[in-house]
Amino acid sequence: GAVVSQHPSRVICKSGTSVKIECRSLDFQATTMFWYRQFPKKSLMLMATSNEGSKATYEQGVEKDKFLINHASLTLSTLTVTSAHPEDSSFYICSARDSQGKSGVEQYFGPGTRLTVT
Amino acid sequence: AQTVTQSQPEMSVQEAETVTLSCTYDTSESNYYLFWYKQPPSRQMILVIRQEAYKQQNATENRFSVNFQKAAKSFSLKISDSQLGDTAMYFCAFSGGGGADGLTFGKGTHLIIQP
Repeated sequence: GAVVSQHPSRVICKSGTSVKIECRSLDFQATTMFWYRQFPKKSLMLMATSNEGSKATYEQGVEKDKFLINHASLTLSTLTVTSAHPEDSSFYICSARDSQGKSGVEQYFGPGTRLTVT
Repeated sequence: AQTVTQSQPEMSVQEAETVTLSCTYDTSESNYYLFWYKQPPSRQMILVIRQEAYKQQNATENRFSVNFQKAAKSFSLKISDSQLGDTAMYFCAFSGGGGADGLTFGKGTHLIIQP
């Protein structure tokens, strides 16, 4: 149980285009999902908290107009990187919190999406 | 804001040995959770163990246990009888708001288990 998927796993896009990454909780409902970014050989950094049916909450320094987050259902959150530039190239990982799970606080992670902007 | 510090960038031990990874954190919150996550080369984040701040008893999960020292804000992970499959990056993480908040991660420790 508690499986989270991400699509696509890898994407290459040209500078100036937009790319959408999907995060799905497959066997549980997630009112809250999180988006993280991980640079090579670095730790994960929280970008934003996505709540179903409401606006996302962004961490300080994260441009909300550049990283659009939509959490339209209890099993799906999307991250759209708009007007992507090479510096946006990174590994993006989502997680979903299973509020009905064992502890109610555990976050289950997706496998990540490697974005390369050329 | 909270911070999480892992002071060991890399550790290497022999198979079957016991290894301890250190983690310290700083927060003004009283209701929080601490976690250890494992990230193998596949980059899939795997939960190893969690600890609720209000619980004095140290969490254990099979070969994995923690030493939670709340006053010292220390949260170390002990891996007993280490196995080759334990080779991975290990991240210590903090979640405030009673565990509802997003995770703040330490920089990680690369653990290598030698055969």
